Amino acid sequence: DAGVTQSPTHLIKTRGQQVTLRCSPKSGHDTVSWYQQALGQGPQFIFQYYEEEERQRGNFPDRFSGHQFPNYSSELNVNALLLGDSALYLCASSLRREQFFGPGTRLTVL
Amino acid sequence: AQSVTQLGSHVSVSEGALVLLRCNYSSSVPPYLFWYVQYPNQGLQLLLKYTTGATLVKGINGFEAEFKKSETSFHLTKPSAHMSDAAEYFCAVSLTDKLIFGTGTRLQVFP
Repeated sequence: DAGVTQSPTHLIKTRGQQVTLRCSPKSGHDTVSWYQQALGQGPQFIFQYYEEEERQRGNFPDRFSGHQFPNYSSELNVNALLLGDSALYLCASSLRREQFFGPGTRLTVL
Repeated sequence: AQSVTQLGSHVSVSEGALVLLRCNYSSSVPPYLFWYVQYPNQGLQLLLKYTTGATLVKGINGFEAEFKKSETSFHLTKPSAHMSDAAEYFCAVSLTDKLIFGTGTRLQVFP
């Protein structure tokens, strides 16, 4: 059984650009959450998707948006990138309150 | 609002010594509590979780944690450290299926 997968593993962008990160949940999981982990910090909750709708959202600006597809996979989009968006972006899938994390996408904004 | 405080950003122990990583939480109602481990350049792996019931929770790799409501604590322990335990450890609290993490504790294990 494949766990949570994320693509790409690494990404380099410049300020002002837009980026899309992708996540495939663990088999049987219907809920996907996204977290941002800045260097030396704990992960911060961005938002959560369930049944293709955003169910909860953390304290992140509207530049951060997402989508969930019928097969439960998800995308995180970030517009107008800032230097401060450089971080490890983690996707987690869950079925009943236990979240399983993917390896993350390392985004560097230059 | 929920929050988590991890006391000590760095902890160093000798191989074979007791590991104690401290976590205190703030929540208006009994929360779910978790400990995750993160190895370099990897995602988070669940070590153990407390939901309801028994307050002493056993996890993977010999780790355990005790939920103490009166102290609002959920400290992580392991009787004997291995070199392979060197990693970053995160305590997290959850009420509504989103995780709120502490700032992490980096565990170093010396031979």
